[in-house]
Amino acid sequence: DTAVSQTPKYLVTQMGNDKSIKCEQNLGHDTMYWYKQDSKKFLKIMFSYNNKELIINETVPNRFSPKSPDKAHLNLHINSLELGDSAVYFCASSRLGTDTQYFGPGTRLTVL
Amino acid sequence: AQSVTQLGSHVSVSEGALVLLRCNYSSSVPPYLFWYVQYPNQGLQLLLKYTSAATLVKGINGFEAEFKKSETSFHLTKPSAHMSDAAEYFCAVSNSGAGSYQLTFGKGTKLSVIP
Repeated sequence: DTAVSQTPKYLVTQMGNDKSIKCEQNLGHDTMYWYKQDSKKFLKIMFSYNNKELIINETVPNRFSPKSPDKAHLNLHINSLELGDSAVYFCASSRLGTDTQYFGPGTRLTVL
Repeated sequence: AQSVTQLGSHVSVSEGALVLLRCNYSSSVPPYLFWYVQYPNQGLQLLLKYTSAATLVKGINGFEAEFKKSETSFHLTKPSAHMSDAAEYFCAVSNSGAGSYQLTFGKGTKLSVIP
C-alpha cells in the first residue's frame, strides 16, 4: 500500500495553462506539505496544511494555490503556468506535532 | 532562521570504502536533524533523524550519523559502500512552529559508488 501518492507522475503542458497535481496519504496524518525541487535538486517548502488550515505559506506566487478537500488530500493548483515552474513537486505528510515527514514519489512538471 | 550546509555536491567512493557525507547546521535552538535519501526518479526516504535522545543515531541500510554540538555537525557515515547506495542525500533541519514542522534542506550530495 502506497503511503503518500501523487498523480500524475509526469505532466507536460504549455505556458499559460492551468494544471493540478493531486496528493493523497493513507497514513492518518494531520499535516501535509508541498515542496518544489528545482533542476539543481534544491528542495524548498511551498505550503503546509494542518487540519485544513494553511499554516505556512512561503513566498510563492499566488498562481499556486493548495486545496485540501479533506485531511487525507492536499492538491496543488497552478494557474498561468510559466517556464520557471518546471520542476519536480513533492507532497509529504506528518503526524500533528511531529517532524518526521513521509514523501510521495514526486510529479515532474515540464512547461513548454 | 535555521539552515544546513552540505559540503560537497558530489562524492565518489569505491565499493567497500567508507562513506562520509558532511552536513553542518545553523540553529538558534536545539535542532532536530534529518538525513533523507533520494534514489533516481524517486521520492525522498528518511534514513535517520536526531532528536536529542542520543548523539549517535543509527538509520536504515547501515547508515549512521553523529551529532556534534561543538562542531555544529551531523555527518552521515557508512563503513562499507554498496553499489545500491548510489543516490542523492539530503540533510535537513526542522523548524518547529504552530504544529507544522517545516524542513529546511541542504542542497544535496550526490553519492557515486565505483565498482
